[in-house]
Amino acid sequence: SYDLTQPPSVSVSPGQAARITCSGDSFPTKNAYWYQQKSGQAPVLVIFEDNKRPSGIPARFSGSISGTMATLTISGAQVEDEADYYCYSRDNSHKGVFGGGTKLTVL
Amino acid sequence: EVQLVESGGGLVKPGGSLRLSCAASGFTFDAYTMNWVRQAPGKGLEWVSSITASSTYIFYADSLRGRFTISRDNAKNSLYLQMNSLRAEDTAVYYCARDFVTGGYFDSWGQGTLVTVSS
Repeated sequence: SYDLTQPPSVSVSPGQAARITCSGDSFPTKNAYWYQQKSGQAPVLVIFEDNKRPSGIPARFSGSISGTMATLTISGAQVEDEADYYCYSRDNSHKGVFGGGTKLTVL
Repeated sequence: EVQLVESGGGLVKPGGSLRLSCAASGFTFDAYTMNWVRQAPGKGLEWVSSITASSTYIFYADSLRGRFTISRDNAKNSLYLQMNSLRAEDTAVYYCARDFVTGGYFDSWGQGTLVTVSS
């Protein structure tokens, strides 16, 4: 099966850059997507197709891929960015795969 | 406005069955692939299953081992998940999620319905 590997946690101070990585053998052939999930809420898409930002998502959110690693960067993280972040992709059988999730702490 | 409203969750004993529903509104339901995604308490997201617009193609997570069946009724703008032989590890919030129009990811989510499998 296809796996996506994320660090369990990342911690930064407000205003610092937060980088969350996602390792997957199908990158860069397959696109990476990133979801933000705050406690008790449904996930929200913050990056699609590796590096595109949906409307309404602040410009401080960006995505990139290098080799088999996708990275979500939050430039100048804010307290309100504290959440769980999940990378997502699809395997060659059209099955969805989520990374294990990364808890971002901003304090 | 796109709305996805799940229902049908609840408490069920191990080995039991449950059918989840997702009522869709605010978009042309029969033009979109639909999905179920679940999240066990305190755990991460897990893709469960997807069904294309005309039900031509259906995909399941390998971990389900044939216990779940996804279906849809485009006339009723509804998505379903029939869950059989339920286990404690199936306890989770189950989300209905719409695929982006050209596919690849989920662009709209419901608020989820909780399924608890316990004796």
